[in-house]
Amino acid sequence: EVLLVESGGSLVQPGESLRLSCAASGFTFSPYAMTWVRQAPGKGLEWVAVISGNSDTIYYAHSVRGRFTISRDNSKNVLSLLMNSLSAEDTAVYYCARSVTSHYDSGLDYWGQGTLVTVSS
Amino acid sequence: DIQMTQSPSSLSASIGDRVTITCRASQGISGYLSWYQQKPGQAPKLLIYARSTLQSGVPSRFSGRGSGADFSLTISNLRPEDCATYYCQQTFMTPFTFGPGTTVDI
Repeated sequence: EVLLVESGGSLVQPGESLRLSCAASGFTFSPYAMTWVRQAPGKGLEWVAVISGNSDTIYYAHSVRGRFTISRDNSKNVLSLLMNSLSAEDTAVYYCARSVTSHYDSGLDYWGQGTLVTVSS
Repeated sequence: DIQMTQSPSSLSASIGDRVTITCRASQGISGYLSWYQQKPGQAPKLLIYARSTLQSGVPSRFSGRGSGADFSLTISNLRPEDCATYYCQQTFMTPFTFGPGTTVDI
């Protein structure tokens, strides 16, 4: 069974940093592109970042570029999102998701349950 | 960036109805279009990818079509469990934008 389990969400103050993790199991992790998607309370889905299987292709949303860093450790089956200079606008549930295929430009077939990041003073 | 719009923003239908949600991109996206269903408190679920490919395990009453910049998701024979918010997403060009969502009530 494919499982994606996010962790690391918490309440932080504006300007602080936070690292999210997504532990993958039930499939061979390395070939698949992985994506972070977030959802602010009561709002729609916002694509955040994508990383290819071998980490040679990475893209970010404009709203997080330069502040967030997506990475992966294929030896540990873990996807990460390092978030710096957080602001209230980053408050959201953060989901990790797997691409349907090895290509980063395909749909997202498996999602984690999400981890809540709250940025507030 | 490619902007995605959806219509309607919400709809109310009856059991057994045929429902169509449209999604329009601000430019052609060559079939790089997925549809997701999200219920309250749950993660999104992939229904359709590559414009019309039904994800494994998704009932055949869901179907997708379209080309260029105009796409649609049709739910035939609407069931109570189809009450949810539906999002389209383009993966033609980064950032891979989502539509604003369409809420389906029954």
